[in-house]
Amino acid sequence: QQQVKQSPQSLIVQKGGIPIINCAYENTAFDYFPWYQQFPGKGPALLIAIRPDVSEKKEGRFTISFNKSAKQFSLHIMDSQPGDSATYFCAAAGGTSYGKLTFGQGTILTVHP
Amino acid sequence: NAGVMQNPRHLVRRRGQEARLRCSPMKGHSHVYWYRQLPEEGLKFMVYLQKENIIDESGMPKERFSAEFPKEGPSILRIQQVVRGDSAAYFCASSPTKDGGRGTQYFGPGTRLLVL
Repeated sequence: QQQVKQSPQSLIVQKGGIPIINCAYENTAFDYFPWYQQFPGKGPALLIAIRPDVSEKKEGRFTISFNKSAKQFSLHIMDSQPGDSATYFCAAAGGTSYGKLTFGQGTILTVHP
Repeated sequence: NAGVMQNPRHLVRRRGQEARLRCSPMKGHSHVYWYRQLPEEGLKFMVYLQKENIIDESGMPKERFSAEFPKEGPSILRIQQVVRGDSAAYFCASSPTKDGGRGTQYFGPGTRLLVL
């Protein structure tokens, strides 16, 4: 029940494309859903986060869509660039274990020039 | 404002030795979290600490692993009698004191532990 399932495992798009990464969760107590970007050899960096009181949040080229009834959320990257090539992780937290982020398995995104 | 600092960045140990990983949270942050990332895998929660207190250690292996966050100084993750399976990247994150543990977690650059 604590799992967060992320797909796809890897994704290749052309520059300007809109990669979409999906995550699903089971624990209805989760109330905080961040996305992190990680480059090789670096720590994860927060991209954008959402709470379940809204269905969409946009920051720059990054958008989170949230479907509370389906217990799913997704990341869209508009006008993707080669510099967006990285590993993306969704995560979730909430309930009695609010200090504990449960991460998805990660998606390796490659944006070709 | 300096980010989360971790040292060492790389650590090599032989089987049976002890590994000590240090984490200094961002200024204004008193909540510290440790995560482990095995090769080609996501991050797994290990422990959540506040100053002088362990809040949640549900992800810590029962043996050989311990963590502390003293009143003064950095948080320490200690692994005793390391084995090859401990080889991983260990990340520390911190969140603002004002958010009471519900705040955004900011990650450090990690310590890559290699056990020979």
